[in-house]
Amino acid sequence: ETGVTQTPRHLVMGMTNKKSLKCEQHLGHNAMYWYKQSAKKPLELMFVYSLEERVENNSVPSRFSPECPNSSHLFLHLHTLQPEDSALYLCASSQATASSYEQYFGPGTRLTVT
Amino acid sequence: GQSLEQPSEVTAVEGAIVQINCTYQTSGFYGLSWYQQHDGGAPTFLSYNALDGLEETGRFSSFLSRSDSYGYLLLQELQMKDSASYFCAVMGSGNTGKLIFGQGTTLQVKP
Repeated sequence: ETGVTQTPRHLVMGMTNKKSLKCEQHLGHNAMYWYKQSAKKPLELMFVYSLEERVENNSVPSRFSPECPNSSHLFLHLHTLQPEDSALYLCASSQATASSYEQYFGPGTRLTVT
Repeated sequence: GQSLEQPSEVTAVEGAIVQINCTYQTSGFYGLSWYQQHDGGAPTFLSYNALDGLEETGRFSSFLSRSDSYGYLLLQELQMKDSASYFCAVMGSGNTGKLIFGQGTTLQVKP
């Protein structure tokens, strides 16, 4: 595997379900990010992790819970989501947060909340 | 607050030159990046300007004027494969990794 991978690529879940999105980077980077991309809206930064420590939480509802067990893996745990949470969720990584201008993105997870 | 403005759509023909503008308002500024995203694909990094002036990378160039809070992406010798969305993004802080994205410009290249 190379670059940034994300699983699953597609996910349909009910509002009462609990699911997790997984991201793995194979680039030796120290910073990882979660973004939400909705139609007709800019990419919205959700969380930033640097060396496994969360350094940015962009006023994200608590139904989204990130986890970064090591510098290569990032999870987004989802529970009791709302239909408006349906979007493309993108993971990205960079050498360090100071190099966040150059981020490498995964292919995303297309989430549909029913 | 922080905001970026770019045109929503641009159309050009193969072989032409197109310029995508971006104006920004941020409380801090460490540089302007550009990303390309094809339909159904992941955003990919194109260029970064921290200082005023023009940066050239092959057919793509990016320009920044910090005094005008303005930048642009210039695409030359357009090819059909350049049809994609282009996002400008501002690095508003040096250490927290926060990158603020514009809404994106959809470029359609016609034969």
